[in-house]
Amino acid sequence: SAVISQKPSRDICQRGTSLTIQCQVDSQVTMMFWYRQQPGQSLTLIATANQGSEATYESGFVIDKFPISRPNLTFSTLTVSNMSPEDSSIYLCSVEDRGNEQFFGPGTRLTVL
Amino acid sequence: AQSVTQLGSHVSVSEGALVLLRCNYSSSVPPYLFWYVQYPNQGLQLLLKYTSAATLVKGINGFEAEFKKSETSFHLTKPSAHMSDAAEYFCAVSDGNFNKFYFGSGTKLNVKP
Repeated sequence: SAVISQKPSRDICQRGTSLTIQCQVDSQVTMMFWYRQQPGQSLTLIATANQGSEATYESGFVIDKFPISRPNLTFSTLTVSNMSPEDSSIYLCSVEDRGNEQFFGPGTRLTVL
Repeated sequence: AQSVTQLGSHVSVSEGALVLLRCNYSSSVPPYLFWYVQYPNQGLQLLLKYTSAATLVKGINGFEAEFKKSETSFHLTKPSAHMSDAAEYFCAVSDGNFNKFYFGSGTKLNVKP
């Protein structure tokens, strides 16, 4: 199964700033996904990132707020822009592997003051 | 459209007792269903999955789930709870292309000594 790492594992940021989260996979994958898990809540899909094309965003999420890069088949970044306390969440990346499973990274725990 | 409902945000059982975590789904296409576990401060780990093969699915750590189309359910069970089972459990349904996963709100399992 795919092994996924994320950086940073956690961060505390000031409102109005931006944070870029990195996701690295140990194998080449076509599709990568970014999720948000707000405190005490379930996971919500932010966007799907395919290599070589623009990310596809879910309803309620926009590129200006959450720009995503996918420069190659093993790496992606998610930026949380102009942060507010409401952006305090765990951000997880995942990949599709074995044709029908999603594997998740350990998550990035973000606190915005 | 796909959605998942998990009944009971918190479930508490005694060590050695039966674990039953409930999940009902709604899907406009034949569903693919998953259970994930999340230990504190960790990412999600796949417990088991249903992808239209056998309706009784066995997963890791002694967990199993039964797909019941007539009841639109996919409840997770374990005959005998262990202290190490204390975690949060998420049920998820995919759209059939395994691209988008829709998660339930999660159930926190507490195991009492």
